[in-house]
Amino acid sequence: SQTIHQWPATLVQPVGSPLSLECTVEGTSNPNLYWYRQAAGRGLQLLFYSVGIGQISSEVPQNLSASRPQDRQFILSSKKLLLSDSGFYLCAWSVSEVTGYTFGSGTRLTVV
Amino acid sequence: QKEVEQNSGPLSVPEGAIASLNCTYSDRVSQSFFWYRQYSGKSPELIMSIYSNGDKEDGRFTAQLNKASQYVSLLIRDSQPSDSATYLCAVNEAAGGKLIFGQGTELSVKP
Repeated sequence: SQTIHQWPATLVQPVGSPLSLECTVEGTSNPNLYWYRQAAGRGLQLLFYSVGIGQISSEVPQNLSASRPQDRQFILSSKKLLLSDSGFYLCAWSVSEVTGYTFGSGTRLTVV
Repeated sequence: QKEVEQNSGPLSVPEGAIASLNCTYSDRVSQSFFWYRQYSGKSPELIMSIYSNGDKEDGRFTAQLNKASQYVSLLIRDSQPSDSATYLCAVNEAAGGKLIFGQGTELSVKP
């Protein structure tokens, strides 16, 4: 069966520090991968999505970047965190838009 | 910009009642529709998908779709306190294939 792993679960980082969040999927090949952010009490904001290795589409211009170095690995990065980067970061995967997305357990990031 | 609209709530219902959650969407050619449940502090969990007009039942949950009115709903029968969560409606963006999420409706089931 397919599983999605996301880590770390929680992270507290100072303003200006770098960020690297990792997501891996098991049990499937060539998944579509997504990074979402959810601010406190808000909806899901799509940040990046990828349909294949090295293929990244950005939905919102901001302080973040994404990479997909392997088929089932998706990384969210920042060189310098801002206070506004705080939130709940969710990785998700799908094999097609018809089946919906499956989310990882999320990373709660607090920038202080 | 494609949109998915939900009443943010909170929607409060007594235990055992029917909870009705509603969602409207703007992309007239969307074909896939989903309901997610998100407990506080947790990630969203897919609970229902619907693709054709009409009703789809799964246990205590019924999803209803009306493409002409661009309207999706979720009914929860015999609501339980464990159903208390935020329910997110998601609609497939026909052009790009991505899911567009609503802001979510907070449901509170009172014992």
